[in-house]
Amino acid sequence: EAGVTQFPSHSVIEKGQTVTLRCDPISGHDNLYWYRRVMGKEIKFLLHFVKESKQDESGMPNNRFLAERTGGTYSTLKVQPAELEDSGVYFCASSPGLRGEQFFGPGTRLTVL
Amino acid sequence: GESVGLHLPTLSVQEGDNSIINCAYSNSASDYFIWYKQESGKGPQFIIDIRSNMDKRQGQRVTVLLNKTVKHLSLQIAATQPGDSAVYFCAENDGGATNKLIFGTGTLLAVQP
Repeated sequence: EAGVTQFPSHSVIEKGQTVTLRCDPISGHDNLYWYRRVMGKEIKFLLHFVKESKQDESGMPNNRFLAERTGGTYSTLKVQPAELEDSGVYFCASSPGLRGEQFFGPGTRLTVL
Repeated sequence: GESVGLHLPTLSVQEGDNSIINCAYSNSASDYFIWYKQESGKGPQFIIDIRSNMDKRQGQRVTVLLNKTVKHLSLQIAATQPGDSAVYFCAENDGGATNKLIFGTGTLLAVQP
C-alpha cells in the first residue's frame, strides 16, 4: 500500500510568487492534516480535513494560505503571495479515523527568497 | 538537511547502549501520545503510541512511559543501533474533536559506532 505522498519535494520561489503544494493521502483515509515546520521551530498544525470538509483551520497563519480538498481525495495548499517567513517544511498526514496514528508524508521543503 | 538552523537537544550514545529520550507536555486534556522518528529528508515515522489510561507500553526494542502526574513522556530504546540515529519527536493530541497533534521540539539522537 502506498503511503502519503507529497509534491513537489522541494520548491524555491521568490517573495511575492505563488506556490501550490499537493498531498495525496493513503487511499481510504478520510482525515487529512497539514503541518509545517519553520526553521528553528517545532512542527505545528495548520488544518484538518474530513473528506472534503475543513474541520479545523485554526493553525493557518493568515489569509495568504488556502487549502482545498476537492472530492475528498488529494489536497492542495496554496501560498499566495509567498513571504520569506513561509519558508519551511510542509508535512501532510492522513488517518483513517479521528483516533490513532497519523501517517506522515515526506514533506515539501519550501524556500522563499 | 531539514535540521539546518535548528538547535535541538542532542543525545549522544554508544552503539549497544540504551537510550532514553524525555519529553514534557502541557495539555492536561491530551489522551493520546506518540513518538515519531524523523530521518533526514523524510517525514515523521511512527514508532510507538500510548493512551492516557496506560503508563507503559512496549514495542520491539522501544518502550514508552507516561507519567500523567508530572506530564512527562519518555522513550526508551534498547541496544541502540546506528540506524536509530535521527530526530525523535513526542506528540500529543489536543484532546479536541480533530485529534490534531502538538509536537515537541525534538531530540537529536546520535549513535556512535
